Amino acid sequence: AQTVTQSQPEMSVQEAETVTLSCTYDTSESDYYLFWYKQPPSRQMILVIRQEAYKQQNATENRFSVNFQKAAKSFSLKISDSQLGDAAMYFCAYRSAESRFQEYGNKLVFGAGTILRVKS
Amino acid sequence: DAGVTQSPTHLIKTRGQQVTLRCSPISGHKSVSWYQQVLGQGPQFIFQYYEKEERGRGNFPDRFSARQFPNYSSELNVNALLLGDSALYLCASSLSDLRDGRYTFGSGTRLTVV
Repeated sequence: AQTVTQSQPEMSVQEAETVTLSCTYDTSESDYYLFWYKQPPSRQMILVIRQEAYKQQNATENRFSVNFQKAAKSFSLKISDSQLGDAAMYFCAYRSAESRFQEYGNKLVFGAGTILRVKS
Repeated sequence: DAGVTQSPTHLIKTRGQQVTLRCSPISGHKSVSWYQQVLGQGPQFIFQYYEKEERGRGNFPDRFSARQFPNYSSELNVNALLLGDSALYLCASSLSDLRDGRYTFGSGTRLTVV
């Protein structure tokens, strides 16, 4: 079974600075997706960034980028120029891409989350 | 296009009662998944439905059941509620395409069991 570990329960960053959130995962599969989701107090999970394991290039979405190290099974999120609106709980998640979806479906496996606080 | 909608937003139930939570996916999405998020933890997978059939089930007791309707909306039922069932219940919808890999979540239903 796949597992996702977020070792930082809480992180703080000064506004306009850069912060990196860590995530490691365990799997025996070679084809999968990794995600970072943001959950503000409004509760809705918002997709921040997605990485496909078969792509070597690290994904980037504006101020958000990842450092994907497949051999090390590491998937960290870097937030540049942090803004007050970035304050939230951040979850790392794994999804298999190898199963036959229409027969077995594919679940997301989440880490425990990291609370990000942004100081003004 | 409307996002994933869940109802109700909040619910208080007594131990032993039964509850039904509802979810409408994004238009065109045929898969619906349910997750339980206990306070301070990451979401845990409960069910996934695709084309009205169960495609996956997490490690939850038989008190939890779900179904998907022809319009792809879904209901999650929980019988004989326990205090430990208090949580945020999230619904997520996705395309059926395996290569897409993206889920869109609703804002959840906050269930409190007293």
